[in-house]
Order: sequence, then structure tokens, then C-alpha cells
Amino acid sequence: DAGVIQSPRHEVTEMGQEVTLRCKPISGHDYLFWYRQTMMRGLELLIYFNNNVPIDDSGMPEDRFSAKMPNASFSTLKIQPSEPRDSAVYFCASSSGHPNYGYTFGSGTRLTVV
Amino acid sequence: AQKITQTQPGMFVQEKEAVTLDCTYDTSDQSYGLFWYKQPSSGEMIFLIYQGSYDEQNATEGRYSLNFQKARKSANLVISASQLGDSAMYFCAMREGRDNFNKFYFGSGTKLNVKP
Repeated sequence: DAGVIQSPRHEVTEMGQEVTLRCKPISGHDYLFWYRQTMMRGLELLIYFNNNVPIDDSGMPEDRFSAKMPNASFSTLKIQPSEPRDSAVYFCASSSGHPNYGYTFGSGTRLTVV
Repeated sequence: AQKITQTQPGMFVQEKEAVTLDCTYDTSDQSYGLFWYKQPSSGEMIFLIYQGSYDEQNATEGRYSLNFQKARKSANLVISASQLGDSAMYFCAMREGRDNFNKFYFGSGTKLNVKP
């Protein structure tokens, strides 16, 4: 199993540009999560999906952020327009939903907005 | 109130010695799970160990063990025989049962440095 695959690994963009982060979860995992990690705020849950349906998006900071999961093997997190304060590492994680198991995280996307 | 509290921002340990990383949690649920993750400097998050709230035995995985004290709401990670490769950030996390079944809460992390 290839694990959770995120792309790109690094993204540098100018303020105001649209940014799209991508994630391929582990096959068979029904849950997909997007987290953001910063020094100041640690790991924050942005949104999570169950069977491609968004369940909890209360962590999405504002309307500039949107996430989709069009099918079981792909999800995107979009920021439009991007701002310097969005600079962070964005993690995607997936889970089978079994209560004893933790998430499997992707390698993360380091986003820098200049 | 914080769901997960890790009070040690940074720790040092001598190679081959044991080290305990502290974690306390706050929940009113009877059913919950506690997890530890390791984040090396390369950035990935690696799952280490799990403890269920109904588990009577402390969880162990190789050199990792979880010192679970339910009444004190603590779930400390013990690493035995530290190795240089153990130098990393360590995060404690909790999953509450029932509603939001799979939502995790993470602590702020402890940075562990293993000295040769």
C-alpha cells in the first residue's frame, strides 16, 4: 500500500493566487481529514469526510477555504485567494474508522504565501 | 478547556536511557481512545501506540509503552532505551467516542532530543 499521497510537497505562491492541494487516501479508508499545522496553533482539524461526504467543516477558517471529495480516491483543499497567514503545513490523513486505529497521515504540503 | 495538554515543550534524554513524555486529557465521555504520534524533522506524522479507555492493560509497542492512569486522566508515553533516531516531536491525541466518532484532538507536542 502506497499510503496517503499528497501533492505537491512544497508550494510557494503569491498573495491573492489560488492554491489547490491534493490528496489520495488509502484505498478502503472511509474517512479523510485535512489538518493544518503551524507553530502558533499546532495541529488544527479543518474538515473531514466520511464516504466522500463532508461531516464537519467547523475548522475551516473562512470562506476562502473550500474542500471537495468527488470520489473515494481523491480530495482537494483549495484556498482562493491565498494570504500570507495561510502559510503552514497542510496534512491529509485517512482512516478506516475502526476505533482502535489512528489516522494514517500523508507527508504534508508545505505552503508558503509571499 | 484544552482537550489534550502536553506540558513539556522540550526534553533531553541521554542515549540508551528511558524517557517519559507527559500527556493529560479532558473528556466526559466513557468511551475514548488515546494515541501518540511521532513527527521527525522530515515532517511526516507516524502513529506509535494506542490505548482504549476500557483497556485494563497498558499498551506496549516495542520500545514504546503507554502509562495509562484513568483516574488522573493521564496517558504518558514511555520510551525505553532511547536511540538517536527518537529525536522528534511527539504528539498526544484523543478520540472521543460516540458523536464525532473519528475526530481527534491533538496536544501541542513535546520536542525530544536524544543526546549521544
